[in-house]
Amino acid sequence: EAQVTQNPRYLITVTGKKLTVTCSQNMNHEYMSWYRQDPGLGLRQIYYSMNVEVTDKGDVPEGYKVSRKEKRNFPLILESPSPNQTSLYFCASSLSRSGYGYTFGSGTRLTVV
Amino acid sequence: DAKTTQPPSMDCAEGRAANLPCNHSTISGNEYVYWYRQIHSQGPQYIIHGLKNNETNEMASLIITEDRKSSTLILPHATLRDTAVYYCIVRPIYNQGGKLIFGQGTELSVKP
Repeated sequence: EAQVTQNPRYLITVTGKKLTVTCSQNMNHEYMSWYRQDPGLGLRQIYYSMNVEVTDKGDVPEGYKVSRKEKRNFPLILESPSPNQTSLYFCASSLSRSGYGYTFGSGTRLTVV
Repeated sequence: DAKTTQPPSMDCAEGRAANLPCNHSTISGNEYVYWYRQIHSQGPQYIIHGLKNNETNEMASLIITEDRKSSTLILPHATLRDTAVYYCIVRPIYNQGGKLIFGQGTELSVKP
């Protein structure tokens, strides 16, 4: 089944403890992106990647890192999480950044205490 | 990306057609209309998109007015599982970062 898989689905962590949210797609998509969703603010793009080794900042990149060493994987790294990064995170992928629908993962609900 | 306006909520009886409107009066010639939906905190799901012709797929139909200033998403036979927030998004074929700008959407409630 064609899908975007995120792990973990739920995570509670403490301030400052590095964590990684994984994202993997099995559709050979070139484009991948991370969003966060917060009440009243909608979905906002964090980072995106056009292809392997090509990544760039979205609208809210502060406090996050990403890497794209392989086409299928696009992990989101929080080096020193803070409570304001408590949010619902979604990874998305597409054949390209234009003209196609995006496939989203099921989401990762992160709580930083 | 052009701004969109959608009603905040709508109801629909199960089995009937759900017609969800979207106003995008400032749309420009190179902008597509996309529809996504989100079922209770799940990942958004792509439904359909179009430029100026009407489009249909296995999920829905998209009707775009001739002047392209508005569109309607039609779910022909709504089921309870179609209860979700529906987002109308207008964006050019290429935009910075390929991002989607989700507005407030329409919360569709399908009732038995």
